[in-house]
Amino acid sequence: EPEVTQTPSHQVTQMGQEVILRCVPISNHLYFYWYRQILGQKVEFLVSFYNNEISEKSEIFDDQFSVERPDGSNFTLKIRSTKLEDSAMYFCASSEGSHEQFFGPGTRLTVL
Amino acid sequence: GEDVEQSLFLSVREGDSSVINCTYTDSSSTYLYWYKQEPGAGLQLLTYIFSNMDMKQDQRLTVLLNKKDKHLSLRIADTQTGDSAIYFCAADGGYNQGGKLIFGQGTELSVKP
Repeated sequence: EPEVTQTPSHQVTQMGQEVILRCVPISNHLYFYWYRQILGQKVEFLVSFYNNEISEKSEIFDDQFSVERPDGSNFTLKIRSTKLEDSAMYFCASSEGSHEQFFGPGTRLTVL
Repeated sequence: GEDVEQSLFLSVREGDSSVINCTYTDSSSTYLYWYKQEPGAGLQLLTYIFSNMDMKQDQRLTVLLNKKDKHLSLRIADTQTGDSAIYFCAADGGYNQGGKLIFGQGTELSVKP
């Protein structure tokens, strides 16, 4: 069964460093999403992406964040200058239509 | 903004039915979802219901939606130890919201043999 994959599973970085989190969505899906879950808190929407542009973004998704679909298979989330409060589990999701989102296993980001 | 709330814990005996409840605030939500998260894993889509439906059944899972009260429930029949996990309720942000989902805090289901 096709699934969303994410790499790495765990990323440790120093405050102020740039990180890129990678996702491979399900191959025939057209809509892509990033969410995050800070430990002990709710899963929060960051951004949705369709037709090579951002469809919707939350207040969390400020100028430090960017997304890209650099080729036909990858979908990336870049954080330019990480802060301690960016430590969280980051989930990528994809959907064929505008609902029924399938999630990847997540990348745990630890900012020291 | 929209809020989704769930109780944090539920404990049941194996073979019993489990009912996990959720409330949401935005009446414009089009689809409501249930996700399951096992330890160390991602969010697995279990089922969803369209907002103009009252009920949806899928094998052991029954979803009930009371749109007037903005209340959603997930019933798991004949609960098994393998059903132990965290269950998340989620609502979409409504039309033209880019498909964003708003999640509850998750209900940890513990199934005792």
